[in-house]
Amino acid sequence: NAGVTQTPKFRVLKTGQSMTLLCAQDMNHEYMYWYRQDPGMGLRLIHYSVGEGTTAKGEVPDGYNVSRLKKQNFLLGLESAAPSQTSVYFCASSYSGLATGELFFGEGSRLTVL
Amino acid sequence: AQKVTQAQTEISVVEKEDVTLDCVYETRDTTYYLFWYKQPPSGELVFLIRRNSFDEQNEISGRYSWNFQKSTSSFNFTITASQVVDSAVYFCALSEGPYSGAGSYQLTFGKGTKLSVIP
Repeated sequence: NAGVTQTPKFRVLKTGQSMTLLCAQDMNHEYMYWYRQDPGMGLRLIHYSVGEGTTAKGEVPDGYNVSRLKKQNFLLGLESAAPSQTSVYFCASSYSGLATGELFFGEGSRLTVL
Repeated sequence: AQKVTQAQTEISVVEKEDVTLDCVYETRDTTYYLFWYKQPPSGELVFLIRRNSFDEQNEISGRYSWNFQKSTSSFNFTITASQVVDSAVYFCALSEGPYSGAGSYQLTFGKGTKLSVIP
């Protein structure tokens, strides 16, 4: 039971480098999300997608881009990484809106920007 | 805008004690959904419960119970006879109803309460 899988699990970047986090879900869920978790801040929504080919901004979208070319995948990109983007990133998916469903989370990806 | 406040940053209890984690929320919607998630030291997020705004019945699941009071905008979580395995960060979260556009797809999380259960 894979559920939601994030790659990579850990990554260290230098300021200005770019990278992409991949999220894959095998539950045929329509909705996918990227959150970041910082100490004392809880989880904050970066971007989300309500279906293949659609994306929308969340609470903290600056510095990130996303794409949902396939229903099962949701990519989070950092074009020019900054130390402020050091965080743990969680991908999540849900079958429907939260009126009837819940979020299923991946295991997280720890990113350090030096 | 929706907001979730977990005023207790950290709590320590001795094993077998009861502990209540507080959650206060703000929303202008009459339809909304409240959640609790658990994040153990291993880091994953585990769903515990979802409650809609029209159901104010308290819920009990084993040693866990939840008290939802719309009058005080609170959704508190109690662990009875705590165990070391309950040590984790617990998050309360809120999603506004389907009449708020994209709100029904988004969860707003509180900052979490770190619970340490001491043997």
